[in-house]
Amino acid sequence: GQSLEQPSEVTAVEGAIVQINCTYQTSGFYGLSWYQQHDGGAPTFLSYNALDGLEETGRFSSFLSRSDSYGYLLLQELQMKDSASYFCAVTFDNYGQNFVFGPGTRLSVLP
Amino acid sequence: EAEVAQSPRYKITEKSQAVAFWCDPISGHATLYWYRQILGQGPELLVQFQDESVVDDSQLPKDRFSAERLKGVDSTLKIQPAELGDSAMYLCASSLGGTNTEAFFGQGTRLTVV
Repeated sequence: GQSLEQPSEVTAVEGAIVQINCTYQTSGFYGLSWYQQHDGGAPTFLSYNALDGLEETGRFSSFLSRSDSYGYLLLQELQMKDSASYFCAVTFDNYGQNFVFGPGTRLSVLP
Repeated sequence: EAEVAQSPRYKITEKSQAVAFWCDPISGHATLYWYRQILGQGPELLVQFQDESVVDDSQLPKDRFSAERLKGVDSTLKIQPAELGDSAMYLCASSLGGTNTEAFFGQGTRLTVV
């Protein structure tokens, strides 16, 4: 089976840097994705890591360590609009199309 | 900009009644997913289609839930009979398939069973 763990809540102030961790246990592993979901909205794709290391996309970066079954999402220069839930998701088949989502981390950005 | 369309946005139904949700994925997307999301939790996969074929329905409660994607384009998810515990957001998503791993989600259907 598959299981993912994330902190349930994180709070930070505008302009700060925050890291959201994700650990996983899966029977197979293809890659780790991150999605953002605002209250009442649809999840939207942020990033994907298939290989170890850091991927940077603007203010957001995502890291993966396959040997540690661990990844994180790094958000820099936090803005109020970043307040949302963030989900890591594992793709665990070689076809790369089967996703399992983590429980989510609710980020609150304070002024 | 292309998007995944879902209807209805909200549905209130009485327990033991039948309810259906519709999803139209982004044109050309071969893979279609139905997820259920309970408030405060992550999306849980119910069923995954590749074109018109089901590739994973291991978490679908088949005694009451059914899903189809007859022509490999739009899809319908049905619940019959609905139970109080089915109250949740039902999300549809699609992806190109192959090595493309980004899923695009619709706005979802918020189901309330009373």
